[in-house]
Amino acid sequence: SQLAEENPWALSVHEGESVTVNCSYKTSITALQWYRQKSGEGPAQLILIRSNEREKRNGRLRATLDTSSQSSSLSITATRCEDTAVYFCATDASSGSWQLIFGSGTQLTVMP
Amino acid sequence: EAAVTQSPRSKVAVTGGKVTLSCHQTNNHDYMYWYRQDTGHGLRLIHYSYVADSTEKGDIPDGYKASRPSQENFSLILELASLSQTAVYFCASSPDTSAETLYFGSGTRLTVL
Repeated sequence: SQLAEENPWALSVHEGESVTVNCSYKTSITALQWYRQKSGEGPAQLILIRSNEREKRNGRLRATLDTSSQSSSLSITATRCEDTAVYFCATDASSGSWQLIFGSGTQLTVMP
Repeated sequence: EAAVTQSPRSKVAVTGGKVTLSCHQTNNHDYMYWYRQDTGHGLRLIHYSYVADSTEKGDIPDGYKASRPSQENFSLILELASLSQTAVYFCASSPDTSAETLYFGSGTRLTVL
């Protein structure tokens, strides 16, 4: 089973709508990161939220973190066609391991 | 802005052949990583390095070797390419450990026939 998992697997919205992607993880963490990967490109970080933070914003993006339920969410408001991408959450596996573990991603399609 | 460049962008290799994927970063970062991405899946760590002339195994190192001759350069080597190694490979760098941002290259699409 995966240590980090996004849901839903895929979703579609129309431009201007808001959307939320959820992430659940299975280890204690020091930080959780959200990445976006557009077709043909490498992933690019959107937000890094540390374990002592509950919410973080970056423009139209808002990430939340609930360490008690080991879950996070990424919300995008006023979506644009260029937001179409795969969105990943990634966590550091603690207990002495520094590795960044990625989920399988959520494919977001924003339609005109 | 951080810059990680990979070469080649795509490659077709024959089964049993040797493949070398190259990565160069101009970020002055200590950490470099090689990830593999299969269609519809997330990224899995193959090898990483935190200092020149030293490499470490990630989650899926079997069938791969890595080389870090300098801080800027990190290579992934497939000595005997196999069909199962067809995937997109991403190189990344970071200034520190996992709790920091990874800067990814654009990827190398490898097809093994």
